[in-house]
This record gives sequence, C-alpha cells and structure tokens, in this order.
Amino acid sequence: AQKITQTQPGMFVQEKEAVTLDCTYDTSDQSYGLFWYKQPSSGEMIFLIYQGSYDEQNATEGRYSLNFQKARKSANLVISASQLGDSAMYFCAMREAMDSSYKLIFGSGTRLLVRP
Amino acid sequence: DAGITQSPRHKVTETGTPVTLRCHQTENHRYMYWYRQDPGHGLRLIHYSYGVKDTDKGEVSDGYSVSRSKTEDFLLTLESATSSQTSVYFCAISGNPTGLNTEAFFGQGTRLTVV
Repeated sequence: AQKITQTQPGMFVQEKEAVTLDCTYDTSDQSYGLFWYKQPSSGEMIFLIYQGSYDEQNATEGRYSLNFQKARKSANLVISASQLGDSAMYFCAMREAMDSSYKLIFGSGTRLLVRP
Repeated sequence: DAGITQSPRHKVTETGTPVTLRCHQTENHRYMYWYRQDPGHGLRLIHYSYGVKDTDKGEVSDGYSVSRSKTEDFLLTLESATSSQTSVYFCAISGNPTGLNTEAFFGQGTRLTVV
C-alpha cells in the first residue's frame, strides 16, 4: 500500500497567490515525521519544512506552512504569495520512528507552475 | 550545504555492462542512502547503509548491490545494467544525530541511461 499519496501530478498558480499542495499518508506508527522537499528544474533536492506527529502547532518556514490534520492523515503544504521561482516539483515524505533505517518514504510528487 | 557529491553526474552505458556510481560525503554521517527517481514514482529507496560494511535493502533493490568500506563512500553497483535501470539516482545522508526530525541531505543526482 502506498504510504505517501500526492494526488496532484501538476498544478498551476498565479504569481502572488497562495497554493496548497496535497499530501496524505498512511502509517500505523504513532510517532513519525513529515517533510516537504522542493526539486527545481536543476534537479537538486531542497528541504523546505518539517512537521512531527506530536507537534501541536502547524509548522511554518517563511512563506511555507504545513496544514497538518492528524486525524485525516494529511500534511498539505501551503505556499503563500507564490513567486516565479516556486515553479518546481514538490515531494512529500515521511519517516517512521519504528523504522530503524531512518529512511524517508516519498510521494510521487506535484509539479507546480507559477504563472506571471 | 552538506558536503555530499555524486560521480559521475551523467552516464550512458550499454545493456549488460556493470556500472558503479559513487557517493562521497565529508560530513561523517552514519546513515547513507541510494534512491532512484522515476516519473510518477517519486524517489524510491534502493539500498541504505547504517555504518561501515553495514548495509541493507530498500524497496527496489533487485539488480543492485552496494558497498561501504569507508564512512565517507557509498558505492552503488548495477551488476548488469538493463534499460529498466535508466533513471536518476540520488545519494542522501541523514544528519547527526539521526532522529525522527533529522533533515536528509541529497547529492546532485546521477542521470544514468542504459541503451
């Protein structure tokens, strides 16, 4: 079963508007972490934001915020005031505390295109 | 930026030939990972290492082997390359100490084409 699901293969957003990228996850672990990475066309993977399963507040990092709804098992990324440089692939990922490998499990990604 | 480099960055090889990709880190991190990235699949784990000579399989390990003889180097070998192994390969390391919230740092990727 897929553990991380990103249902939006591609999205458009107008510059300066906000956009939400969806991510749902599946785990039986009570303790886990959720990550978002950005991959621009140059190919590198850039860490954006982290949310722990026991964190009471939604994580925020500048223009990025994570809408964490634990009961729904969703961890959507919200980008406010989109910029042209936000055009990229975005990956949601999870790490489970029970997993001694500490590996990240990734979703299939969402390609975001910001229109001027 | 984390010191992690992959080599080569690009490679074209023929079906049936062996190929080795190298990941080198200067951060002295314990955990190292090899992922492959394919359209529609995101990044999938091939193998990982949790110390020198300590490695284990990921979800897509068939056709791949790894070795880690030094903390800083993690090698991925395709014993006999097939067209299905055409992909972009990423090496990653997890920061010290490794924990639930530890960011993973990625190399710049190796684009491998098997013809």
